[in-house]
Amino acid sequence: DTEVTQTPKHLVMGMTNKKSLKCEQHMGHRAMYWYKQKAKKPPELMFVYSYEKLSINESVPSRFSPECPNSSLLNLHLHALQPEDSALYLCASSSQGDTEAFFGQGTRLTVV
Amino acid sequence: QKEVEQDPGPLSVPEGAIVSLNCTYSNSAFQYFMWYRQYSRKGPELLMYTYSSGNKEDGRFTAQVDKSSKYISLFIRDSQPSDSATYLCAMLDTGGFKTIFGAGTRLFVKA
Repeated sequence: DTEVTQTPKHLVMGMTNKKSLKCEQHMGHRAMYWYKQKAKKPPELMFVYSYEKLSINESVPSRFSPECPNSSLLNLHLHALQPEDSALYLCASSSQGDTEAFFGQGTRLTVV
Repeated sequence: QKEVEQDPGPLSVPEGAIVSLNCTYSNSAFQYFMWYRQYSRKGPELLMYTYSSGNKEDGRFTAQVDKSSKYISLFIRDSQPSDSATYLCAMLDTGGFKTIFGAGTRLFVKA
């Protein structure tokens, strides 16, 4: 099983809302990632967690706040987003940092 | 210069054709090479994963890595309309964690 599950699949939120994206994997992977993907562009790395600790933050604005409650779960908390933050948000995991990553189907976020 | 260069296409081929997709890169530290397929509005799906130079075959797909030329390829034999998608090359260096993606090539296979 190489499945990474993301919820919700779609999300529409206002600029004053607070919402969370969730990601789950049961492959025993120790590295988990958040990516942002705009239309017709490749995924852009946002955050990396390794062994449940934040190891990479690609200078992402503080309105995005990641959390890794345990080795299977990854959350992305959203607050005071801007319309330009509308994108497909992808979660991925890999067994270690130097192995291939498996992606979820993404959450399509629209900020209004 | 981008670390990974990939022609965004679009590339249009008839059903049954052999498709060749390519990427070049500049960072000699890259050791792990992947190809992902992404259908519209879906997450990327891992197709092939190769470590260092050489060839790898999986069904209709063959991945080639030439580290001396800093060039990787994905070949699709007997292409099908269901292969119509965006194909992303991706690379990791030995430090890991940061996957660098190419721009993605949009492929259309016409029935």
